[in-house]
Amino acid sequence: AQSVTQLDSHVSVSEGTPVLLRCNYSSSYSPSLFWYVQHPNKGLQLLLKYTSAATLVKGINGFEAEFKKSETSFHLTKPSAHMSDAAEYFCVVSVGQGGKLIFGQGTELSVKP
Amino acid sequence: EAEVAQSPRYKITEKSQAVAFWCDPISGHATLYWYRQILGQGPELLVQFQDESVVDDSQLPKDRFSAERLKGVDSTLKIQPAELGDSAMYLCASSLIGGSNSPLHFGNGTRLTVT
Repeated sequence: AQSVTQLDSHVSVSEGTPVLLRCNYSSSYSPSLFWYVQHPNKGLQLLLKYTSAATLVKGINGFEAEFKKSETSFHLTKPSAHMSDAAEYFCVVSVGQGGKLIFGQGTELSVKP
Repeated sequence: EAEVAQSPRYKITEKSQAVAFWCDPISGHATLYWYRQILGQGPELLVQFQDESVVDDSQLPKDRFSAERLKGVDSTLKIQPAELGDSAMYLCASSLIGGSNSPLHFGNGTRLTVT
């Protein structure tokens, strides 16, 4: 079965420093992977998606993620954190032809001034 | 930019009562999803529609939950009777055609509290 595991439930960084949110996936074939962001009391917004084209995927707001098959990882990074990046981030895998999404448990990102 | 509309934004109900949530997807989106997000967890799919047909309701507790999308546009999710464990955020999402290459657009959700 396909699944994703987010390795940190909470990450805290200082404004202007790099962000790293870790995600490992489990899949029997080449998966479609996504990162979504959720601000408090809001719906989810797609940051970026990987669908077997380029392994380095660029998303919105300066985020990017690299698909590493050998490590079964899809970590999310950003060179310089901004206060507005504070939110919950979800690593997601798509299952089957119908596009059903399986979400990780989420990583809460805090950004300190 | 078009949005997925959900109402109500918040709902407080007593256990054993009936409750209903409404979702209006982005115009033209054929696929509609209902997700449940328990506090501190990721969302879990309850039901997926393709037009007016259910394509996946394997995780829907059918003894108390029902969902419909009669004209293939807006959708209603109902819980009867509500239980304390149903307290959660209920998220609706839509996509143009479904499938992994069609991104999901989420509404802001309905936060349900069962007392």
